[in-house]
Amino acid sequence: KAGVTQTPRYLIKTRGQQVTLSCSPISGHRSVSWYQQTPGQGLQFLFEYFSETQRNKGNFPGRFSGRQFSNSRSEMNVSTLELGDSALYLCASSFGTSGYEQYFGPGTRLTVT
Amino acid sequence: GEDVEQSLFLSVREGDSSVINCTYTDSSSTYLYWYKQEPGAGLQLLTYIFSNMDMKQDQRLTVLLNKKDKHLSLRIADTQTGDSAIYFCAEEAGGGNKLTFGTGTQLKVEL
Repeated sequence: KAGVTQTPRYLIKTRGQQVTLSCSPISGHRSVSWYQQTPGQGLQFLFEYFSETQRNKGNFPGRFSGRQFSNSRSEMNVSTLELGDSALYLCASSFGTSGYEQYFGPGTRLTVT
Repeated sequence: GEDVEQSLFLSVREGDSSVINCTYTDSSSTYLYWYKQEPGAGLQLLTYIFSNMDMKQDQRLTVLLNKKDKHLSLRIADTQTGDSAIYFCAEEAGGGNKLTFGTGTQLKVEL
């Protein structure tokens, strides 16, 4: 069974631009969560989607948004990029919404210059 | 509120046991996880434990949970150089898949 895939793996953007990251969960998994990892703040929860609905949202500004498609694939978008958005963005997939094993993808490394 | 703490570094010799500790503050935590992260990689799920359990063993890994003290530990038996990585504990509380992660413990295994 294929694992969680994220595209692209690396991305360089300029301040003020916007970016879209993609996550394909493990086949059969319907929950996708997104996390931001930085050296200063560690791993922080962005949001969770289940069956195309956002179930939970972390404490991030509205510039961060996401969505989930009917095939469970998810995208997250960051608009008006700031230098502080440089981070590793990880997505995790799970079969259900609580108490299930959550598997992470390799991440997308975003650098904002 | 939610807060998860770990010590930053641990160094052990190959063949010894490693014990990585974690404390959390949210008493409503239902599941607690251990993840491993190698350089440049995502998070690898090692094991997880339900909050009504005290212990879980999985091959070289033993998880101990002291719910009264909100203390979680991961013991790795016969530690190998391939175990060198950063280890994160995480708690799931309040339903849903939102995980609150600890700061991570960097494990260094020396020959």
